[in-house]
Amino acid sequence: AQTVTQSQPEMSVQEAETVTLSCTYDTSESNYYLFWYKQPPSRQMILVIRQEAYKQQNATENRFSVNFQKAAKSFSLKISDSQLGDTAMYFCAFMFADSNYQLIWGAGTKLIIKP
Amino acid sequence: DAGVIQSPRHEVTEMGQEVTLRCKPISGHNSLFWYRQTMMRGLELLIYFNNNVPIDDSGMPEDRFSAKMPNASFSTLKIQPSEPRDSAVYFCASSFKRNSPLHFGNGTRLTVT
Repeated sequence: AQTVTQSQPEMSVQEAETVTLSCTYDTSESNYYLFWYKQPPSRQMILVIRQEAYKQQNATENRFSVNFQKAAKSFSLKISDSQLGDTAMYFCAFMFADSNYQLIWGAGTKLIIKP
Repeated sequence: DAGVIQSPRHEVTEMGQEVTLRCKPISGHNSLFWYRQTMMRGLELLIYFNNNVPIDDSGMPEDRFSAKMPNASFSTLKIQPSEPRDSAVYFCASSFKRNSPLHFGNGTRLTVT
């Protein structure tokens, strides 16, 4: 069975620092998608970034970037120049590429940005 | 684009009452999902619709839960009768097609007393 593991239940950093959230997953599939979602205190789930497993290039969205290591089954999220608004729960999720819709979710990492 | 719209934002009801949660997906999205989020179990997929047809309802806890999607722009999740253990945040999400990223609504926080 596919699993997604986020080993850091909670992290805190100072504003403007860089922080990396870890995510590992277990699958025997070669083609899949990986996502990071953010859930701020307002509770809406917001897509942060998406990575296709067949792409070697790491996805980037402004201050957010990933380090995708397919062989190691690792998908970490780096937040540069962290801002107070980045305070949220961050969830890593896995989805099969071939006609599947089921997202496998990690337990989440609570990130606190301190002023 | 208004995003996925859910109502109500909060619902407090007494045990035994019927609860109906509503969702309007993003226009043009043909996949719709209902999720439940609790501290203990995290995010759980309750039901998945594709082109208004329920494809997978294996996550629906029991017969007290039902979901409908009468057209492409509206879906409901009904709990009848409600129980305290149903207290959770219920999310609706939609996507353009299979494997596309999900776009979530703001959720409905349900409290059953």
